Amino acid sequence: QLQLQESGPGLVKPSETLSLTCTVSGGSISSSSYYWGWVRQPPGKGLEWIGSIYYSGSTYYNPSLKSRVTISVDTSKNQFSLKLSSVTATDTAVYYCARALFGSSQNWFDPWGQGTLVTVSS
Amino acid sequence: SSELTQDPAVSVALGQTVRITCQGDSLRSYYASWYQQKPGQAPVLVIYDENNRPSGIPDRFSGSSSGNTASLTITGAQAEDEADYYCDSRDSSGNHHVVFGGGTKLTVL
Repeated sequence: QLQLQESGPGLVKPSETLSLTCTVSGGSISSSSYYWGWVRQPPGKGLEWIGSIYYSGSTYYNPSLKSRVTISVDTSKNQFSLKLSSVTATDTAVYYCARALFGSSQNWFDPWGQGTLVTVSS
Repeated sequence: SSELTQDPAVSVALGQTVRITCQGDSLRSYYASWYQQKPGQAPVLVIYDENNRPSGIPDRFSGSSSGNTASLTITGAQAEDEADYYCDSRDSSGNHHVVFGGGTKLTVL
Protein backbone atom coordinates (compact mmCIF):
# COMPACT_ATOMS: atom_id res chain seq x y z
CA GLN A 1 0.00 0.00 0.00
CA LEU A 2 1.45 3.31 -1.09
CA GLN A 3 2.07 5.77 1.72
CA LEU A 4 3.38 9.32 1.73
CA GLN A 5 4.84 11.19 4.68
CA GLU A 6 5.70 14.87 4.89
CA SER A 7 8.60 16.08 7.00
CA GLY A 8 10.24 19.41 7.75
CA PRO A 9 10.25 22.34 10.16
CA GLY A 10 6.93 23.33 11.66
CA LEU A 11 8.00 26.93 12.18
CA VAL A 12 9.58 29.23 9.61
CA LYS A 13 10.47 32.90 10.01
CA PRO A 14 9.06 35.52 7.67
CA SER A 15 11.18 36.13 4.55
CA GLU A 16 12.90 32.77 4.92
CA THR A 17 12.46 29.62 2.83
CA LEU A 18 10.03 26.87 3.73
CA SER A 19 11.43 23.41 2.97
CA LEU A 20 9.49 20.17 3.12
CA THR A 21 10.19 16.61 1.99
CA CYS A 22 7.73 13.88 1.10
CA THR A 23 8.91 10.30 1.50
CA VAL A 24 7.12 7.69 -0.57
CA SER A 25 6.92 4.12 0.69
CA GLY A 26 5.24 1.02 -0.68
CA GLY A 27 5.88 2.01 -4.28
CA SER A 28 8.36 3.66 -6.59
CA ILE A 29 8.44 7.37 -7.23
CA SER A 30 9.85 6.50 -10.65
CA SER A 31 6.55 5.03 -11.85
CA SER A 32 5.88 6.25 -15.35
CA SER A 33 2.15 6.55 -14.67
CA TYR A 34 2.17 9.15 -11.96
CA TYR A 35 3.21 12.62 -10.96
CA TRP A 36 3.77 13.81 -7.40
CA GLY A 37 2.22 16.93 -6.00
CA TRP A 38 2.00 19.43 -3.18
CA VAL A 39 -1.27 20.95 -1.94
CA ARG A 40 -1.72 23.32 0.98
CA GLN A 41 -4.61 24.37 3.19
CA PRO A 42 -4.52 27.52 5.34
CA PRO A 43 -6.27 27.09 8.70
CA GLY A 44 -10.02 27.04 8.20
CA LYS A 45 -9.75 27.51 4.45
CA GLY A 46 -9.82 25.45 1.27
CA LEU A 47 -7.26 23.49 -0.70
CA GLU A 48 -4.71 25.16 -2.97
CA TRP A 49 -2.58 23.29 -5.51
CA ILE A 50 1.08 24.31 -5.27
CA GLY A 51 2.67 22.23 -7.98
CA SER A 52 3.49 18.80 -9.35
CA ILE A 53 6.59 16.95 -10.55
CA TYR A 54 7.31 13.89 -12.70
CA TYR A 55 10.10 11.51 -11.77
CA SER A 56 12.09 12.84 -14.73
CA GLY A 57 12.04 16.29 -13.13
CA SER A 58 9.35 17.97 -15.25
CA THR A 59 7.47 20.44 -13.10
CA TYR A 60 4.21 22.36 -13.16
CA TYR A 61 3.54 25.19 -10.72
CA ASN A 62 0.56 27.23 -9.64
CA PRO A 63 0.99 30.52 -11.54
CA SER A 64 0.23 32.48 -8.38
CA LEU A 65 3.17 30.85 -6.56
CA LYS A 66 5.50 30.10 -9.44
CA SER A 67 8.02 32.84 -8.68
CA ARG A 68 8.62 31.43 -5.18
CA VAL A 69 8.23 27.66 -5.61
CA THR A 70 10.71 24.94 -6.46
CA ILE A 71 9.77 21.26 -6.46
CA SER A 72 12.45 18.64 -6.92
CA VAL A 73 12.68 14.86 -6.92
CA ASP A 74 15.29 12.43 -5.59
CA THR A 75 14.56 9.03 -7.09
CA SER A 76 17.42 7.39 -5.18
CA LYS A 77 15.68 8.24 -1.91
CA ASN A 78 12.11 7.87 -3.22
CA GLN A 79 11.45 11.44 -2.12
CA PHE A 80 10.30 14.72 -3.56
CA SER A 81 10.66 18.13 -2.00
CA LEU A 82 9.11 21.57 -1.83
CA LYS A 83 10.83 24.89 -1.34
CA LEU A 84 8.82 28.08 -0.95
CA SER A 85 10.87 31.25 -0.65
CA SER A 86 10.19 34.63 0.92
CA VAL A 87 7.39 33.31 3.09
CA THR A 88 4.90 35.50 4.91
CA ALA A 89 2.14 34.78 7.42
CA THR A 90 -0.21 34.01 4.53
CA ASP A 91 1.87 30.93 3.78
CA THR A 92 0.89 29.42 7.12
CA ALA A 93 -0.94 26.23 6.22
CA VAL A 94 -1.11 22.48 6.41
CA TYR A 95 1.02 21.21 3.55
CA TYR A 96 0.08 17.90 1.95
CA CYS A 97 1.98 15.75 -0.51
CA ALA A 98 0.10 13.36 -2.76
CA ARG A 99 0.48 11.08 -5.73
CA ALA A 100 -1.06 12.64 -8.82
CA LEU A 101 -2.35 11.33 -12.09
CA PHE A 102 -2.67 13.49 -15.16
CA GLY A 103 -4.52 12.09 -18.15
CA SER A 104 -5.66 13.71 -21.34
CA SER A 105 -8.91 14.81 -19.73
CA GLN A 106 -8.45 14.33 -16.06
CA ASN A 107 -6.38 14.61 -12.95
CA TRP A 108 -6.65 13.36 -9.42
CA PHE A 109 -4.63 13.07 -6.22
CA ASP A 110 -4.51 9.77 -4.35
CA PRO A 111 -3.29 8.88 -1.81
CA TRP A 112 -2.38 11.88 0.33
CA GLY A 113 0.08 12.24 3.14
CA GLN A 114 -1.25 13.09 6.58
CA GLY A 115 -0.16 16.70 6.18
CA THR A 116 2.17 18.89 8.19
CA LEU A 117 1.38 22.28 9.67
CA VAL A 118 3.88 24.99 8.84
CA THR A 119 3.55 28.24 10.73
CA VAL A 120 5.27 31.38 9.52
CA SER A 121 6.11 33.56 12.50
CA SER A 122 9.03 35.38 14.03
CA SER B 1 -11.72 31.09 -16.33
CA SER B 2 -9.63 28.89 -14.06
CA GLU B 3 -12.01 28.94 -11.11
CA LEU B 4 -14.26 26.24 -9.73
CA THR B 5 -17.27 27.38 -7.71
CA GLN B 6 -18.96 25.35 -4.98
CA ASP B 7 -21.78 26.18 -2.59
CA PRO B 8 -20.21 26.83 0.82
CA ALA B 9 -22.67 24.66 2.74
CA VAL B 10 -25.29 22.02 2.08
CA SER B 11 -27.41 19.97 4.46
CA VAL B 12 -29.24 16.67 4.06
CA ALA B 13 -31.48 14.58 6.27
CA LEU B 14 -30.12 11.23 7.31
CA GLY B 15 -30.84 8.64 4.63
CA GLN B 16 -31.80 11.17 1.99
CA THR B 17 -30.05 12.08 -1.25
CA VAL B 18 -27.87 15.15 -1.65
CA ARG B 19 -26.12 16.67 -4.65
CA ILE B 20 -23.03 18.84 -4.32
CA THR B 21 -22.14 20.88 -7.37
CA CYS B 22 -18.99 22.37 -8.85
CA GLN B 23 -19.10 24.93 -11.64
CA GLY B 24 -16.35 26.13 -13.92
CA ASP B 25 -15.48 26.67 -17.56
CA SER B 26 -12.72 24.07 -17.45
CA LEU B 27 -15.32 21.39 -16.70
CA ARG B 28 -16.47 21.63 -20.31
CA SER B 29 -13.12 20.07 -21.27
CA TYR B 30 -11.89 18.18 -18.23
CA TYR B 31 -13.36 15.74 -15.75
CA ALA B 32 -13.80 16.69 -12.12
CA SER B 33 -12.51 14.67 -9.21
CA TRP B 34 -14.02 14.82 -5.74
CA TYR B 35 -12.44 14.62 -2.30
CA GLN B 36 -13.90 14.14 1.16
CA GLN B 37 -12.15 15.79 4.09
CA LYS B 38 -13.12 15.23 7.70
CA PRO B 39 -11.86 17.52 10.48
CA GLY B 40 -8.18 17.08 11.20
CA GLN B 41 -7.71 14.57 8.40
CA ALA B 42 -6.20 14.60 4.94
CA PRO B 43 -8.51 14.67 1.92
CA VAL B 44 -9.62 11.33 0.51
CA LEU B 45 -10.43 10.78 -3.15
CA VAL B 46 -14.05 9.62 -3.51
CA ILE B 47 -14.71 10.13 -7.25
CA TYR B 48 -12.29 10.36 -10.17
CA ASP B 49 -12.75 10.59 -13.92
CA GLU B 50 -16.20 12.08 -13.34
CA ASN B 51 -17.89 8.91 -12.08
CA ASN B 52 -15.41 6.31 -10.89
CA ARG B 53 -14.98 5.27 -7.25
CA PRO B 54 -11.64 4.20 -5.81
CA SER B 55 -11.57 0.91 -3.98
CA GLY B 56 -13.20 1.17 -0.58
CA ILE B 57 -15.50 4.08 -1.39
CA PRO B 58 -19.18 3.16 -0.82
CA ASP B 59 -21.38 2.97 -3.88
CA ARG B 60 -23.71 5.60 -2.45
CA PHE B 61 -21.17 8.10 -3.84
CA SER B 62 -21.54 8.89 -7.54
CA GLY B 63 -20.52 11.62 -9.93
CA SER B 64 -21.94 13.21 -13.05
CA SER B 65 -21.40 16.17 -15.29
CA SER B 66 -23.33 18.43 -17.62
CA GLY B 67 -21.91 21.41 -19.44
CA ASN B 68 -19.83 23.46 -17.03
CA THR B 69 -21.17 21.72 -13.91
CA ALA B 70 -19.94 18.58 -12.18
CA SER B 71 -21.96 16.98 -9.41
CA LEU B 72 -21.26 14.62 -6.54
CA THR B 73 -24.35 12.75 -5.39
CA ILE B 74 -24.66 10.86 -2.13
CA THR B 75 -27.64 8.52 -2.23
CA GLY B 76 -28.80 7.65 1.27
CA ALA B 77 -26.49 9.94 3.22
CA GLN B 78 -25.02 8.54 6.42
CA ALA B 79 -23.86 10.36 9.51
CA GLU B 80 -20.26 9.53 8.62
CA ASP B 81 -20.61 11.41 5.34
CA GLU B 82 -20.65 14.72 7.20
CA ALA B 83 -17.48 16.40 5.94
CA ASP B 84 -16.06 19.00 3.61
CA TYR B 85 -16.12 18.09 -0.06
CA TYR B 86 -13.81 19.56 -2.69
CA CYS B 87 -13.82 19.25 -6.45
CA ASP B 88 -10.78 19.70 -8.61
CA SER B 89 -9.97 19.74 -12.28
CA ARG B 90 -7.38 20.88 -14.72
CA ASP B 91 -7.50 24.55 -15.49
CA SER B 92 -8.34 25.82 -18.95
CA SER B 93 -4.73 26.45 -19.95
CA GLY B 94 -4.24 22.92 -21.22
CA ASN B 95 -1.18 22.47 -19.04
CA HIS B 96 -0.93 20.16 -16.06
CA HIS B 97 -2.30 22.92 -13.83
CA VAL B 98 -4.85 22.06 -11.19
CA VAL B 99 -7.58 24.13 -9.62
CA PHE B 100 -9.66 23.25 -6.57
CA GLY B 101 -13.15 24.41 -5.76
CA GLY B 102 -13.67 26.35 -2.56
CA GLY B 103 -15.26 23.38 -0.82
CA THR B 104 -18.73 22.49 0.42
CA LYS B 105 -19.45 21.68 4.05
CA LEU B 106 -22.01 18.90 4.18
CA THR B 107 -24.13 18.60 7.30
CA VAL B 108 -26.16 15.43 7.86
CA LEU B 109 -29.21 16.22 9.98
